[in-house]
Amino acid sequence: GQNIDQPTEMTATEGAIVQINCTYQTSGFNGLFWYQQHAGEAPTFLSYNVLDGLEEKGRFSSFLSRSKGYSYLLLKELQMKDSASYLCAVRVRFSGGYNKLIFGAGTRLAVHP
Amino acid sequence: ETGVTQTPRHLVMGMTNKKSLKCEQHLGHNAMYWYKQSAKKPLELMFVYSLEERVENNSVPSRFSPECPNSSHLFLHLHTLQPEDSALYLCASSQGSALDETTIYFGEGSWLTVV
Repeated sequence: GQNIDQPTEMTATEGAIVQINCTYQTSGFNGLFWYQQHAGEAPTFLSYNVLDGLEEKGRFSSFLSRSKGYSYLLLKELQMKDSASYLCAVRVRFSGGYNKLIFGAGTRLAVHP
Repeated sequence: ETGVTQTPRHLVMGMTNKKSLKCEQHLGHNAMYWYKQSAKKPLELMFVYSLEERVENNSVPSRFSPECPNSSHLFLHLHTLQPEDSALYLCASSQGSALDETTIYFGEGSWLTVV
């Protein structure tokens, strides 16, 4: 089966650093994505890892270890607007060679002053 | 503006009604998706279309019927739904075919309430 786990909720302070972890057990792994979703809005793409290591993009970084089935999203210099849900998603191949994204339940991050 | 537009944004329907959700993408993509998002549950993939051909149906009940008339438009026809079908329905699209997508782009979603 396909299983993706991430914490349900996290809280952090404005200006701090927070790390959101994601572990997965899937077949046919073909990349890992992080999306941000504000309440009532569409998920928006944040980052993508297909090889092991760290990808940095401004205040956001994402790390992947394929051997451990583990990823994290690191948010630095937190701002109030970073309060949102963060979705971990694994891309897998299915029949016919097509790809699809399987999502975790999301981590709701609350940033406090 | 995400490039993927969904209408209506909110829909309330009775269990005997027939309604449709519409999705239009302005990104030149040729793969489109329907996802369901229920409270505190992962996004669930419902349907995948690549080049207007349905390539996956994740065992979705027949009361949900997709239609993809061209690469820019996707519909989800709804009939005799149940209250547990109340959720946010998200449309998405991706570049190229679903074989080579690097990321998918979501619409704002249609909030569906079945009464």
